[in-house]
Amino acid sequence: SQTIHQWPATLVQPVGSPLSLECTVEGTSNPNLYWYRQAAGRGLQLLFYSVGIGQISSEVPQNLSASRPQDRQFILSSKKLLLSDSGFYLCAWSLSGREETQYFGPGTRLLVL
Amino acid sequence: GQQVMQIPQYQHVQEGEDFTTYCNSSTTLSNIQWYKQRPGGHPVFLIQLVKSGEVKKQKRLTFQFGEAKKNSSLHITATQTTDVGTYFCARTGGFKTIFGAGTRLFVKA
Repeated sequence: SQTIHQWPATLVQPVGSPLSLECTVEGTSNPNLYWYRQAAGRGLQLLFYSVGIGQISSEVPQNLSASRPQDRQFILSSKKLLLSDSGFYLCAWSLSGREETQYFGPGTRLLVL
Repeated sequence: GQQVMQIPQYQHVQEGEDFTTYCNSSTTLSNIQWYKQRPGGHPVFLIQLVKSGEVKKQKRLTFQFGEAKKNSSLHITATQTTDVGTYFCARTGGFKTIFGAGTRLFVKA
């Protein structure tokens, strides 16, 4: 069966510091991978998605970036965090192809102070 | 555009009462998905509707897809405290899934 891992679970970072969040998927090959951000009590904002190694599509221009160095690894990064980057970051995967069900990881709660 | 509008934003019910959330699109949808997010948790897929007028049931949950494929609803019969959470509808477009803003359900015991 497939599993998705995210770490860390929680993170408190000062403004201006770098960020690296990692997501890995097990039990499937060539998944579509996604990064979402959810502000407290709000909906899901799609940040990035990837349909293959090295292929990244950005949905919202901001100070975040994403990379997919391996088939089942997706990384979300920032060089300098802003207060507005605080939120709940969710990684998700789906089967390759279009219009597939999304399976979410446990998420990382990021607080930027 | 591609957005799906979801109402209401919040709903408070007494345990045992029914609950409905609605999802609307200005354009025809190829399908509609529903997800549930428990407080502090992550979204979990519930169901996908594809056909015009489709109705699917999962125990006390009834999902409907409109005849014109522009709206959908989720109805919960006789809510329980375990139903607490946020319910999202979502539309797919190519490789992306666009989520509604969600309806947060509060159930008072």
